[in-house]
Amino acid sequence: DAGVIQSPRHEVTEMGQEVTLRCKPISGHDYLFWYRQTMMRGLELLIYFNNNVPIDDSGMPEDRFSAKMPNASFSTLKIQPSEPRDSAVYFCASSTGTLLGNTIYFGEGSWLTVV
Amino acid sequence: TQLLEQSPQFLSIQEGENLTVYCNSSSVFSSLQWYRQEPGEGPVLLVTVVTGGEVKKLKRLTFQFGDARKDSSLHITAAQPGDTGLYLCAGAGLYNNDMRFGAGTRLTVKP
Repeated sequence: DAGVIQSPRHEVTEMGQEVTLRCKPISGHDYLFWYRQTMMRGLELLIYFNNNVPIDDSGMPEDRFSAKMPNASFSTLKIQPSEPRDSAVYFCASSTGTLLGNTIYFGEGSWLTVV
Repeated sequence: TQLLEQSPQFLSIQEGENLTVYCNSSSVFSSLQWYRQEPGEGPVLLVTVVTGGEVKKLKRLTFQFGDARKDSSLHITAAQPGDTGLYLCAGAGLYNNDMRFGAGTRLTVKP
């Protein structure tokens, strides 16, 4: 079975440009998470969806960040305009729910560098 | 501010040594998980603990969940170079489905 698929794998962009990160969760998983990982702040939860509906976006840094999940098999995380401090690895992950301790499956990450 | 505090942040040991890493919080979790992450990859689940006081063993790894479900430890016996990686603990909220991670312990095992 295919795991969580993220694209692009690497992106280098100039400050001020729009960045769109994409994610395809594992089929049948009704929870989708976006995380950001940096050396300074570790792995931060940005937002998560349940059945395509955003449940908690309190981790989204500011209005420049937005996330959508138009259907069960696709989600995007958009940064507009991008800034150098947004440079990080962005992970998408999916699960069948965590209250019962179910596994969260991570993609390989999108490595973003904003210059 | 991390909801989950992991210690130590970095650990470098020789092959064959034992080690323990810790994950502490002031919050109660419905479950706690440990993940291992290797460079260039996403975290991969090692174990889930659900019951306070629970102990789980995975070969040379022993995981314990605190009685109050606020903390956990990971003990590795006779560490090997293949154990090198970033070890992350993650707690699931009592009433929601989010999963918050600690900053991790970066372990290096030298041959």
